[in-house]
Amino acid sequence: EPEVTQTPSHQVTQMGQEVILRCVPISNHLYFYWYRQILGQKVEFLVSFYNNEISEKSEIFDDQFSVERPDGSNFTLKIRSTKLEDSAMYFCASTDWGDTEAFFGQGTRLTVV
Amino acid sequence: AQSVTQLGSHVSVSEGALVLLRCNYSSSVPPYLFWYVQYPNQGLQLLLKYTSAATLVKGINGFEAEFKKSETSFHLTKPSAHMSDAAEYFCAVRLAAGNKLTFGGGTRVLVKP
Repeated sequence: EPEVTQTPSHQVTQMGQEVILRCVPISNHLYFYWYRQILGQKVEFLVSFYNNEISEKSEIFDDQFSVERPDGSNFTLKIRSTKLEDSAMYFCASTDWGDTEAFFGQGTRLTVV
Repeated sequence: AQSVTQLGSHVSVSEGALVLLRCNYSSSVPPYLFWYVQYPNQGLQLLLKYTSAATLVKGINGFEAEFKKSETSFHLTKPSAHMSDAAEYFCAVRLAAGNKLTFGGGTRVLVKP
C-alpha cells in the first residue's frame, strides 16, 4: 500500500541552526501539507502546497519556515533558525485530486536544544 | 472558517465497555469530517470519514461515527473496548477536497482490564 515517508524520524539540533525535514508523498498525489504537534497538544496546520506553490499557510508559518518540492518526489520543510519552541513532531501529509482524506507520514520528532 | 471541539481530553473505559468520544464542529459549509487515531510514538491513522454520503459511517477496528447536522456533531463509538484501543483520538474537519484539516484537541483513551 502506498505511504507517505518522512526522514529523519528524530532530529536534534542546536538553537539557531537550520533544519530540513524531508517527506516523500504518495507518488500520484497533488496536494502536500505540513502539520506540527507540540508535545501534549493538538495537531496544527502549517502549510499546504499545490501546483508548485503555497496554497495556504497558518500564522505559525512565518518567515523562518519555507517549503520546497525540489524534484518530482520530495517535499521539504526548512526552518531557517530554530527556536526552542519549534520542538515538536512534524507530520507531512498528501492527498490526491478529489480525495477527502489526507495520508500522513509517521512524523519527524524535532528537538531544539 | 472551521473549528472542532472534542469534549474530554481523557476518557477511561473498562475492557468490553462502550467507548464514546465526542466531537462537535463548526463550519460555514457542509464539511468533511474525520476521526484519526494516534498510537504512542506513531503517526496519524485514519479511522473513518464522513463525506456527505451515509450519516452513519463505519471505520476500522470496529469504530463507527454518526454525523448529526442538527447537533453539529460527529461522535465516535465502539460497542466493546479492547486493550489495543488505548491511544489518542483526533476529530478533524475539512471544508473541501484539498483544503487543510483542522483538528480538535484530542482525546486520550485509557482502557482498564
